[in-house]
Amino acid sequence: DTEVTQTPKHLVMGMTNKKSLKCEQHMGHRAMYWYKQKAKKPPELMFVYSYEKLSINESVPSRFSPECPNSSLLNLHLHALQPEDSALYLCASSSQWGQMTSSNQPQHFGDGTRLSIL
Amino acid sequence: QKEVEQNSGPLSVPEGAIASLNCTYSDRVSQSFFWYRQYSGKSPELIMSIYSNGDKEDGRFTAQLNKASQYVSLLIRDSQPSDSATYLCAVNERQNFVFGPGTRLSVLP
Repeated sequence: DTEVTQTPKHLVMGMTNKKSLKCEQHMGHRAMYWYKQKAKKPPELMFVYSYEKLSINESVPSRFSPECPNSSLLNLHLHALQPEDSALYLCASSSQWGQMTSSNQPQHFGDGTRLSIL
Repeated sequence: QKEVEQNSGPLSVPEGAIASLNCTYSDRVSQSFFWYRQYSGKSPELIMSIYSNGDKEDGRFTAQLNKASQYVSLLIRDSQPSDSATYLCAVNERQNFVFGPGTRLSVLP
C-alpha cells in the first residue's frame, strides 16, 4: 500500500465521455504531480502543483485539465480523449517543489489509474 | 541528447548473484539521485536515495554516486527472483525529476 491514493484503479471510457481521476495524500506534502506512463517507457511529467498552484504544464493537450482543490487532493479531468491517451496515469507527491531545499525530496507515487480509451 | 541514460536490458543474473545497474546523467548541477523499482503493471516504488559521493547501503541494496563522472549505480546483492523488475534511475535536475528509460532486471532461479 502506498501513502498516495489514486482512484479509480482502472477506467474504460469512450472518446466522448467526461471522467475524472482522483489523487489524495495525507503526508503534508505541498507538491503534487501527474505523470503519464506508456508500456515499457518511463513516466512522463504532465503537471506540477506547488502549494495548490499550477507550476508546470508540460504542453499537455487541453483535453486533460488538472485541478488542485486543496493541499491533499489532486484531480485530473478528462474529456474527448483519443485512443493514444490510453496509459497508466500516476500521481506523485513530494514535500516541496521549486526551491533549492526541495532538491533532496523524493517523489512518492500512487498505484496509478490504468486508463483505456475505446 | 538524453539527459539520463540507462542500459535498457534485459539484464539477466542468476539467483544469489550481484546485479549491477548503471545510470549516467548530463546535468552537472544535479544534486539528488533516486532509484525506483517498478514491477510490471505497478507504480514506481522508491528504494534508494543518494546525495553525496560514495556508497550508501540499505540492506541488500548499495547505491554508488560519482558526481565527477556523472554516474550513479545500484548494486543488488544476493539477487532474488522477486527482484525481477524494471529499475528506474531518477535525477533531480534543477528541481525537475528526470527519469532514465529504466533497466529491466531478470533474476533467474
